[in-house]
Formats: sequence, C-alpha cells, structure tokens
Amino acid sequence: GQQVMQIPQYQHVQEGEDFTTYCNSSTTLSNIQWYKQRPGGHPVFLIQLVKSGEVKKQKRLTFQFGEAKKNSSLHITATQTTDVGTYFCAGIDYKLSFGAGTTVTVRA
Amino acid sequence: SQTIHQWPATLVQPVGSPLSLECTVEGTSNPNLYWYRQAAGRGLQLLFYSVGIGQISSEVPQNLSASRPQDRQFILSSKKLLLSDSGFYLCAFGLAGKISQETQYFGPGTRLLVL
Repeated sequence: GQQVMQIPQYQHVQEGEDFTTYCNSSTTLSNIQWYKQRPGGHPVFLIQLVKSGEVKKQKRLTFQFGEAKKNSSLHITATQTTDVGTYFCAGIDYKLSFGAGTTVTVRA
Repeated sequence: SQTIHQWPATLVQPVGSPLSLECTVEGTSNPNLYWYRQAAGRGLQLLFYSVGIGQISSEVPQNLSASRPQDRQFILSSKKLLLSDSGFYLCAFGLAGKISQETQYFGPGTRLLVL
C-alpha cells in the first residue's frame, strides 16, 4: 500500500536560518497536502499541491511537488520562533496518508 | 462556517474500562468524517472514516470501533481499553465529497491516558 515518508524526523534550527523538510511516497500521488501542528495543538491545513512540478509560496514557506508526483518539499526561510511545530505531509492516491512529520524546534 | 467539536478534552481511564469519545460537526451536511490516533511524538494513524450515516470503514484492526448515528456525529468506542490505546485522538471532517481530494479540518483532540 501507499507509504509516505518524511525526513528529517527532527529539525533544530537557529533563528534566522533556512531549512527544508522532505516528503517521499512509494507510489505516484494525485496530490499532496501539508499540515502544521503546533505543540499541544491539532493539525491545521497549510496547502495542497496538485500539478507535477507545482511550486506555491506562503510568505516564508515554499512548497514544491516533484515532477514525478512522488515527492514534495517544504522550505522555510529566515526561521522564526513561530515556525515551531510539527509539519506533516499527506499524500493522496485513493485516500489521505500522513507522513510521520518533521518536528521543528528553534533556538533564539 | 463549519466548526468541529470533540469531548472530552482529556481522559484518564483504567485498563479494561470502556471508552466513548464524541465528535460533532456544525455548519455543514454530509461531511466525510475521520478518526485518527497520534501516539506521543508520532505521526497520524487513520483509524476509521465514514462517508455517511451508518457507513464505517476501518483502517486498522484493533479493539476500537466507530459509529455514526447521525449525519454530523462520529463516536469512537472501546469495550475494554488497553495500555497501548493511550494517545491523542483527533476527529476530522472533509467537505469535498471525494476522500481522495479533500482538505481535512481537525478538531481539538482528546488526550487519552490509560493506566
């Protein structure tokens, strides 16, 4: 069945630095979604990518869907303390399958 | 606008006791409904989903069950809790109609600790 893997599992970032988290699927996806879960909170939808090679930006966040529609990335520039949390990708073939998430901590 | 509620927010239960967690959605009709479990520091495991009243699909065999007695009500139950049932239980709904295309909106969750 479909498996969605995320790397790294943990990302410790200096405030102001950039980082990227990656999402890889064992199968071709119809689309991919990204969610953010703040510590103690629930996942909140960030964005959905549908087209091969699609790139979308939300302020300092850049989301990319691979050409083969089997991988995706989230790049955050100039990390802030508000970026703390766990970022999940969720790949869709016939249903949504969540990756294990990348937990981001920020040192000031 | 749509809202989703879960209760209780936290629960501490002894091993072997029953469980009933409730989720309700307001502001929409015929949503797709989902139950997820998140173990501490882990990802989201889909437990059940429902596309309509009385229609339940189970993703993982276990001692939990789900029911949808009303259009906007989704209940997660167990007859006898295990230690391994501890976790953060999240209910979610989707509006696109097609499970393969919809964004999911999560409730605040229930933290369950089984002792």
